[in-house]
Amino acid sequence: EAQVTQNPRYLITVTGKKLTVTCSQNMNHEYMSWYRQDPGLGLRQIYYSMNVEVTDKGDVPEGYKVSRKEKRNFPLILESPSPNQTSLYFCASSAGTGSQPQHFGDGTRLSIL
Amino acid sequence: DQQVKQNSPSLSVQEGRISILNCDYTNSMFDYFLWYKKYPAEGPTFLISISSIKDKNEDGRFTVFLNKSAKHLSLHIVPSQPGDSAVYFCAASEYGNKLVFGAGTILRVKS
Repeated sequence: EAQVTQNPRYLITVTGKKLTVTCSQNMNHEYMSWYRQDPGLGLRQIYYSMNVEVTDKGDVPEGYKVSRKEKRNFPLILESPSPNQTSLYFCASSAGTGSQPQHFGDGTRLSIL
Repeated sequence: DQQVKQNSPSLSVQEGRISILNCDYTNSMFDYFLWYKKYPAEGPTFLISISSIKDKNEDGRFTVFLNKSAKHLSLHIVPSQPGDSAVYFCAASEYGNKLVFGAGTILRVKS
């Protein structure tokens, strides 16, 4: 089954404690991205990757890091989380950009206290 | 400044009737538009798309209309079913670049 898998699904943590949200896709997609969803703001792109070892900033990259060492994995790293990073996060993959429909994971709800 | 706007936060429709979800955009360079549907506790799923060279695309009960001069697109669902109750996101891209999403519209279909 084609899918994008995110872990964990839920996490409550404290300010400053480094965390990683993993994302894996089994569709051999080249393009992967991370979004955060906040009320009234829709989905905003954090980082994206066009291929292995190729990453770039999206609209709201501050406070986040990513890496793309393998095609299937695209982890999101919060080195020093802060309360304003409390949000619902989605990882997505697609065969290309723009017109190619993106496949989303089921989301990770992060609460930073 | 939001380039893609969904000005109706919510919409309520009776089962069997038409649902019309609207989306406005400001960037005239957008060349591809997509609609995604999202259920609670799940990720968005692709629903239907349209290229800027077309003004209509139809897929079963779902039709998307594009009015480039007005920078407006709409999603029509006919007939609406209770299972269509979800959040609908409009998204746009410029020449293969990243997607820009609207804030979403909550659709409730009453039986």
